[in-house]
Amino acid sequence: KAGVTQTPRYLIKTRGQQVTLSCSPISGHRSVSWYQQTPGQGLQFLFEYFSETQRNKGNFPGRFSGRQFSNSRSEMNVSTLELGDSALYLCASRAQGGLTGELFFGEGSRLTVL
Amino acid sequence: AQKVTQAQTEISVVEKEDVTLDCVYETRDTTYYLFWYKQPPSGELVFLIRRNSFDEQNEISGRYSWNFQKSTSSFNFTITASQVVDSAVYFCALSEAGGGSNYKLTFGKGTLLTVNP
Repeated sequence: KAGVTQTPRYLIKTRGQQVTLSCSPISGHRSVSWYQQTPGQGLQFLFEYFSETQRNKGNFPGRFSGRQFSNSRSEMNVSTLELGDSALYLCASRAQGGLTGELFFGEGSRLTVL
Repeated sequence: AQKVTQAQTEISVVEKEDVTLDCVYETRDTTYYLFWYKQPPSGELVFLIRRNSFDEQNEISGRYSWNFQKSTSSFNFTITASQVVDSAVYFCALSEAGGGSNYKLTFGKGTLLTVNP
């Protein structure tokens, strides 16, 4: 069974640009959540989607957005990039909503903003 | 608000030593879930254990064991006879069951464990 797949794995952008990250959950998983990991702030929750609906959002500015498609694949977008957006962005999936299932993480997309 | 504290930023041990990683949490909910994850250099977070607030039984899985004490709001993780392959960053996390909080995990800052041969 394939795991959570995130693309791209690495990318470099400059300030002011925008970026889109993609996440393909484990087949059959309907819940996808995103986390940002930085050395200073650690792992922080961005948002969670279930059946194309955002159910919870973390404390991030509106420049961070996401969506989920009917096949459960998810994308997150960061507009007007800032240096502080440099981070490892982790996607996680589980079979259903809530905490009834184990959360599986991908290897992340490492974003560097210059 | 929920909070997880891992006071140990880094721990270094020699192979075969036992090591305990501390985790202290704060929550106002009576129903919550606690987790431990391992993050190897590849970046992927690997699930180790989930425990709900009503189950204070300690758990052992091979060389891993967990001690959950609600009285001290702690959920500590012990590796017995550590091995070099145990070297990683370990995260403790908390999720509250109420409202919309059960869709997110609040993580501690992590403990970098280095096991030297």
